[in-house]
Amino acid sequence: AQSVTQLGSHVSVSEGALVLLRCNYSSSVPPYLFWYVQYPNQGLQLLLKYTSAATLVKGINGFEAEFKKSETSFHLTKPSAHMSDAAEYFCAVTDTSNTGKLIFGQGTTLQVKP
Amino acid sequence: DTAVSQTPKYLVTQMGNDKSIKCEQNLGHDTMYWYKQDSKKFLKIMFSYNNKELIINETVPNRFSPKSPDKAHLNLHINSLELGDSAVYFCASSRKFPGELFFGSGTQLSVL
Repeated sequence: AQSVTQLGSHVSVSEGALVLLRCNYSSSVPPYLFWYVQYPNQGLQLLLKYTSAATLVKGINGFEAEFKKSETSFHLTKPSAHMSDAAEYFCAVTDTSNTGKLIFGQGTTLQVKP
Repeated sequence: DTAVSQTPKYLVTQMGNDKSIKCEQNLGHDTMYWYKQDSKKFLKIMFSYNNKELIINETVPNRFSPKSPDKAHLNLHINSLELGDSAVYFCASSRKFPGELFFGSGTQLSVL
């Protein structure tokens, strides 16, 4: 069965520093992978997705992620953190049941310090 | 125009009551979902409907009953509410596969 592990439930960076949020997946078939962001008291918003095209995926707000099959990873990065990036970030993988179901990681809280 | 809208945003109720949460999407998607987010922010799927047909029914107590009157609406009815039902419930929609999910803003349910 598919699963997603996000290493680090809480990541703290200084404004302007590199953001790196880690995601590893397990999947018996080539996966589709997603990163979502959740701001306080809001729903989830898609940052980017990997659907077996280019392995380096660019998303909104300057985020990008690289699919590495050999490492079963899909880490999220941003070169320079802004205060407005403080939020909860979720990595997700599609289930193999062909129902569109997503399996989410446990989330990583990103704190940005001034 | 909100793509996926759910009401109410907040729901405070007593144990044992019955309550409903409504969801509507105007994206023309065929598939709709209910997800539950617990106090530790963990998201778990509860139900999914494709074109009014139930296609996912995870291990959810049968006190929870989804209803899809048409493919743009998916409501969630909860009977005999329990303290453990307190959570944030998200509605979402997508094209069937492998589409991204579009989420509503959530309903925070507090059972006292």
